[in-house]
Amino acid sequence: DTAVSQTPKYLVTQMGNDKSIKCEQNLGHDTMYWYKQDSKKFLKIMFSYNNKELIINETVPNRFSPKSPDKAHLNLHINSLELGDSAVYFCASSQVWFGTGELFFGEGSRLTVL
Amino acid sequence: KNEVEQSPQNLTAQEGEFITINCSYSVGISALHWLQQHPGGGIVSLFMLSSGKKKHGRLIATINIQEKHSSLHITASHPRDSAVYICAVDRGTSGSRLTFGEGTQLTVNP
Repeated sequence: DTAVSQTPKYLVTQMGNDKSIKCEQNLGHDTMYWYKQDSKKFLKIMFSYNNKELIINETVPNRFSPKSPDKAHLNLHINSLELGDSAVYFCASSQVWFGTGELFFGEGSRLTVL
Repeated sequence: KNEVEQSPQNLTAQEGEFITINCSYSVGISALHWLQQHPGGGIVSLFMLSSGKKKHGRLIATINIQEKHSSLHITASHPRDSAVYICAVDRGTSGSRLTFGEGTQLTVNP
């Protein structure tokens, strides 16, 4: 049973399109995150949610809109995709929200914008 | 200059060798994480530590808070240890803001 699952794993789309990546965790964790990994493999936090409430929006363009329908799900919607959005997006969860606690990552979603 | 620096960036070893990957940071932290990213892309948390030393199988992680330095050691390395190892520091703020190092690409040859 996958602890943190993301779909889709691969996404290829044209510039200007809107796309979503879904994330679900079955660990009962209160905190979920979206991270972006660029072409140089550098990871950076995008968003952090605790109990469906946005805690961190780390200078991400407002074309990116996270949505948490419940504490087990954190979806990422991206409007008007740009070439620079091409990256691998990782969802993660942890038990604690002050500090991080041990992180559990999804498998990643590789987004390619043409 | 990054707040988290890892060395070396790339490391090639022969099977059986003892491996050390270093991480230095320049900010106050509440904890430090070591992560492993497999060639297939998945990321796994190896250790989270705030003091001293932790051991899991052939992996050992140490941290020196005063010197702002951590090391990840792999004993009796194996080709399946080939991966990117990432150090990340946690400032302990609400909601968490992990700052990541750039990773160390480890290749263990048979």
